[in-house]
Amino acid sequence: AQTVTQSQPEMSVQEAETVTLSCTYDTSENNYYLFWYKQPPSRQMILVIRQEAYKQQNATENRFSVNFQKAAKSFSLKISDSQLGDTAMYFCAFMKHIDDKIIFGKGTRLHILP
Amino acid sequence: DTGVSQNPRHKITKRGQNVTFRCDPISEHNRLYWYRQTLGQGPEFLTYFQNEAQLEKSRLLSDRFSAERPKGSFSTLEIQRTEQGDSAMYLCATTGGSYNEQFFGPGTRLTVL
Repeated sequence: AQTVTQSQPEMSVQEAETVTLSCTYDTSENNYYLFWYKQPPSRQMILVIRQEAYKQQNATENRFSVNFQKAAKSFSLKISDSQLGDTAMYFCAFMKHIDDKIIFGKGTRLHILP
Repeated sequence: DTGVSQNPRHKITKRGQNVTFRCDPISEHNRLYWYRQTLGQGPEFLTYFQNEAQLEKSRLLSDRFSAERPKGSFSTLEIQRTEQGDSAMYLCATTGGSYNEQFFGPGTRLTVL
């Protein structure tokens, strides 16, 4: 069974700083998908970034980038130039096949301080 | 707003009562998922549909839970004889494109007293 572990329950950083959220996962699959989802307070979960395991290049979306280490089964999220609107719960997630269910970690609560 | 809607947004009920939640997907999304999120935890998979067919159910989905998607559009999740342990946020997500992104609804927060 696949598992996703986020070891940082809560983090705080100053606005404009860079922050890295950690995630490790366990799977015996070779091809799969990894995601970071953002859940702002009282708002809907939205996809931040995704990575296909067969791609060696790390995904990037504007200020968000990942460090995907397949052999180490590590998938960290880096947020550059953090903004107040980045305050949210961040979930690392795994999906085995396209259109399959998603397995989520327990989340990291990120506070961006003014 | 992701385009996925859920109703009601909040539901307070007494233990032993039945409750039903509804999810309206993005138009033409053929896959629909239900997740449950308890306080301080990530969402956990409950079940999913491909059109009207229910393809997988989690062990979390006890006999008191039933989900339907009768016409392959909206879906309902019913919990019979609610227990305090059923208190959670129930999330719906849908997907239908080749990009396979799951779009989440705002959730229904259930409180069982």
